[in-house]
Amino acid sequence: GAGVSQSPSNKVTEKGKDVELRCDPISGHTALYWYRQSLGQGLEFLIYFQGNSAPDKSGLPSDRFSAERTGGSVSTLTIQRTQQEDSAVYLCASSPQSQGFYEQYFGPGTRLTVT
Amino acid sequence: KQEVTQIPAALSVPEGENLVLNCSFTDSAIYNLQWFRQDPGKGLTSLLLIQSSQREQTSGRLNASLDKSSGRSTLYIAASQPGDSATYLCAVIDNAGNMLTFGGGTRLMVKP
Repeated sequence: GAGVSQSPSNKVTEKGKDVELRCDPISGHTALYWYRQSLGQGLEFLIYFQGNSAPDKSGLPSDRFSAERTGGSVSTLTIQRTQQEDSAVYLCASSPQSQGFYEQYFGPGTRLTVT
Repeated sequence: KQEVTQIPAALSVPEGENLVLNCSFTDSAIYNLQWFRQDPGKGLTSLLLIQSSQREQTSGRLNASLDKSSGRSTLYIAASQPGDSATYLCAVIDNAGNMLTFGGGTRLMVKP
């Protein structure tokens, strides 16, 4: 079946602009995660959605970052007033989280470059 | 706070060698541990998932072990091939949360 998809695959934006990154999880997966991979920082957790529960936003680096998940499926990560340090690969993952099975499946990522 | 470390950071071996990649974590209260492969410019591919109650998992030429009490996992790759060249990442899910905490990865090069 189809895996996790993300769009766009690459995004170049000017400092100060807002960007939106999209994630389509695997159908039927109730959990959705956003991570960021940057040079020198490795892979960092950003935010986690599980069903209709309030999201875990503990990994968001600043209030310029926000995310939403509509209808328990597609998610959008928004970065406002982008800064050069926001340049990174943003990865989305989903998980079935059924019967304690927590394996996460990752999308190909969106490479964000802030100039 | 959970910390995950991978040693070595980079490894170069000739084709055909068996090799071991190491992963250690500071808090043994984990739910599971996952090994991933990442090719340059690509996302992460899940290789093996070990639940905290398990000691090892095998898939083809890959075998991952978990010693939860000592905070260690190893990924054994048998008869390495040039196509195995990639970065290998281990990550844990703590009992307290649902996000993965990643190690820094081991960059593997298998030379023909």
